[in-house]
Amino acid sequence: NAGVTQTPKFQVLKTGQSMTLQCAQDMNHNSMYWYRQDPGMGLRLIYYSASEGTTDKGEVPNGYNVSRLNKREFSLRLESAAPSQTSVYFCASSESGRTTNEKLFFGSGTQLSVL
Amino acid sequence: GENVEQHPSTLSVQEGDSAVIKCTYSDSASNYFPWYKQELGKGPQLIIDIRSNVGEKKDQRIAVTLNKTAKHFSLHITETQPEDSAVYFCAPKDSSYKLIFGSGTRLLVRP
Repeated sequence: NAGVTQTPKFQVLKTGQSMTLQCAQDMNHNSMYWYRQDPGMGLRLIYYSASEGTTDKGEVPNGYNVSRLNKREFSLRLESAAPSQTSVYFCASSESGRTTNEKLFFGSGTQLSVL
Repeated sequence: GENVEQHPSTLSVQEGDSAVIKCTYSDSASNYFPWYKQELGKGPQLIIDIRSNVGEKKDQRIAVTLNKTAKHFSLHITETQPEDSAVYFCAPKDSSYKLIFGSGTRLLVRP
């Protein structure tokens, strides 16, 4: 049982390049999330998808787009990468996202550097 | 929105000693208070959580205590072991059902 799988694990981009981070979960979860983690700032929510077919902005959505391709997959796209987007990106999923005490399951992260 | 502060940012303890990490939050409607542990190169993992109708919860060597009046909750680790070395995050759930993560506490357990 793989849980949450993210690809790639590492990526280096030049300013202005685009790329898509892929995420897939095999737990039949309804809700999926993208976070970024910067030193000393914890994890900040970029976008989330409460259920298949819906997406909503989180705390820091600027410069990103997302697609909930199906129930399993949730991708994050950087259309024109900037150095400020250098970070570690985590995808997560949860069973429904609407209950009070719900556990998030995280992938192992993508380390992205924008030069 | 929810404002979350976590202290201390780093904590070094001798193996076998106890460690306490505190988290304060601002949203009085928050009613779910989890702690996540992140080991090097991995994503965070839930280690313990508590709901607002409970004051304390224990799971072997770890416990969480909640003071809703003062809007803070704490993680307690007793008899620390080297494998407890990691970064710990509090993440109270705000009124829109989203977790808001603290800035993290790096715990080092010295053998």
